[in-house]
Amino acid sequence: SQTIHQWPATLVQPVGSPLSLECTVEGTSNPNLYWYRQAAGRGLQLLFYSVGIGQISSEVPQNLSASRPQDRQFILSSKKLLLSDSGFYLCAWSDAGTVQFFGPGTRLTVL
Amino acid sequence: DQQVKQNSPSLSVQEGRISILNCDYTNSMFDYFLWYKKYPAEGPTFLISISSIKDKNEDGRFTVFLNKSAKHLSLHIVPSQPGDSAVYFCAASVRNNDMRFGAGTRLTVKP
Repeated sequence: SQTIHQWPATLVQPVGSPLSLECTVEGTSNPNLYWYRQAAGRGLQLLFYSVGIGQISSEVPQNLSASRPQDRQFILSSKKLLLSDSGFYLCAWSDAGTVQFFGPGTRLTVL
Repeated sequence: DQQVKQNSPSLSVQEGRISILNCDYTNSMFDYFLWYKKYPAEGPTFLISISSIKDKNEDGRFTVFLNKSAKHLSLHIVPSQPGDSAVYFCAASVRNNDMRFGAGTRLTVKP
């Protein structure tokens, strides 16, 4: 069966510091991978998606970036965090089907 | 541009009664619709879906109805249970491409 992991589970970072969130998927090959953010009291905002290694599509221009160095690894990064980057970050995967399966999420607080 | 809208941020129902969660969309090209359930500090879990070629899909206590002419879908939970208390997101996609989520509705089922 497929599983998706995210770490860390929670993170508190000062403004201006860098960020690296990692997501890995097990039990499947060549998945579509996604990064979402849920701000407080808001819905899910798609940030990035990837259909293959090195292929990244950005939905929202901002100070975040994503990379896919391996087939089942998806990384969300920032060189300098802003206060507005606080939120709940979710990684998801899907195969050729339409259902996306989500990881447990990372709670990021920027102070 | 919010293509998927959940206009009720919250809903409270009594245990054993029916819960009806509503969702409206603007993009007539959407051909697949999903409902996700989310508990605090966890990733959303897939609940039920419906293709645009159908107008109803049922899975146990959960039924999703699709009205394409009105661009409206709804999720019915019968009977509602306290464990159903969560935030429910509706989502829509076009031909297996990236999914658009509503802002969510917080359902509270009172014992």
